[in-house]
Amino acid sequence: EAGVAQSPRYKIIEKRQSVAFWCNPISGHATLYWYQQILGQGPKLLIQFQNNGVVDDSQLPKDRFSAERLKGVDSTLKIQPAKLEDSAVYLCASSSGTGLVYEQYFGPGTRLTVT
Amino acid sequence: KQEVTQIPAALSVPEGENLVLNCSFTDSAIYNLQWFRQDPGKGLTSLLLIQSSQREQTSGRLNASLDKSSGRSTLYIAASQPGDSATYLCAVTTGGSARQLTFGSGTQLTVLP
Repeated sequence: EAGVAQSPRYKIIEKRQSVAFWCNPISGHATLYWYQQILGQGPKLLIQFQNNGVVDDSQLPKDRFSAERLKGVDSTLKIQPAKLEDSAVYLCASSSGTGLVYEQYFGPGTRLTVT
Repeated sequence: KQEVTQIPAALSVPEGENLVLNCSFTDSAIYNLQWFRQDPGKGLTSLLLIQSSQREQTSGRLNASLDKSSGRSTLYIAASQPGDSATYLCAVTTGGSARQLTFGSGTQLTVLP
């Protein structure tokens, strides 16, 4: 079974530029998550999708961040315009959302550096 | 609001030592608790998942315990090796239909040869 795929793996941009990240979850997983992990901290949930609907985006800075999940499969996370404090690893995870054992599976992440 | 704390933030031990990493959480209404490993520049690797009804889980040299009533979990690593050097993250699953993970800040482990 293929895991969660993310691209690009690394991105360096200047502040005020825009950037987009892509995630392909495990086949059949209805729930998809985007996390932001700042150096030295644990991942923080940005947005959670159930199929193509948003379940929780309470911690997403909506003035600059946006995310979509078209057709309930792939997802993109966009930052526009980027700030220095957006430098972090952006992790995508997916879950089947069913069964007694609930588990999220993580992708390798995208490391963003804003200069 | 659920908060997860991990102590210590960093730990350095000589090879072969047994060690314990600690995790505490403020809200005992959890579905499960997971321990993850994260290598520099990499994603998260799930090590152990303990359901709320369980007390412990074991995988090889790793043993994780859960005391839900006191809001605590420990990860025990036996006979540590340099390859165990990584950051270890604890996370709890909470929520109703929209289940979510809340992470601690991690313990950075260095095992010296």
